[in-house]
Amino acid sequence: AQTVTQSQPEMSVQEAETVTLSCTYDTSESDYYLFWYKQPPSRQMILVIRQEAYKQQNATENRFSVNFQKAAKSFSLKISDSQLGDAAMYFCAYRSAYAGGTSYGKLTFGQGTILTVHP
Amino acid sequence: NAGVTQTPKFQVLKTGQSMTLQCAQDMNHEYMSWYRQDPGMGLRLIHYSVGAGITDQGEVPNGYNVSRSTTEDFPLRLLSAAPSQTSVYFCASSSAGAGGDEQYFGPGTRLTVT
Repeated sequence: AQTVTQSQPEMSVQEAETVTLSCTYDTSESDYYLFWYKQPPSRQMILVIRQEAYKQQNATENRFSVNFQKAAKSFSLKISDSQLGDAAMYFCAYRSAYAGGTSYGKLTFGQGTILTVHP
Repeated sequence: NAGVTQTPKFQVLKTGQSMTLQCAQDMNHEYMSWYRQDPGMGLRLIHYSVGAGITDQGEVPNGYNVSRSTTEDFPLRLLSAAPSQTSVYFCASSSAGAGGDEQYFGPGTRLTVT
């Protein structure tokens, strides 16, 4: 079974600065997807960025980028030019690329990291 | 475009009561799922469905039933609520089960069982 670990329960950053959230995972599969989700106080789950394991190039979405290290099974999220609206709980998640099997389509989530942005 | 809707947003139950959490999506997605979110544990999969008439268990299915009679709806039933089922429940949908398709989440239902 796959596991996802976020070892930073809380992080803080000054507005306009850069912060990196850590995520490690364990899997025996070779093809999979990794995601970062943002959950603001409204509780809504919002997809921030996704990465396919077979793509060597790190994904980027505006101020959000990832550092994907497949051999180390590490998937960190970098937020540049942090804004007050970035304050939220961030979840790292894993999903298999293979159809079928138990818990097909399951997203396996980490425990989450609460990000505070100071003005 | 409504996306994924859930009702109710909040619910308080007494131990032993039953209820149904409603979930609907208007994106014609085949794959739908239910998660529960507990402090310090992220979200965990309860049940999922790959299409109308097809459901299966996830990671924490005990105490919950589901059915999928239409593509749009995927209700979650609690037959006899227990305090351990106090949680926030999310419904999600995507066009395919595996892969990188974005899963769209509903706004969540906060359930308290006393």
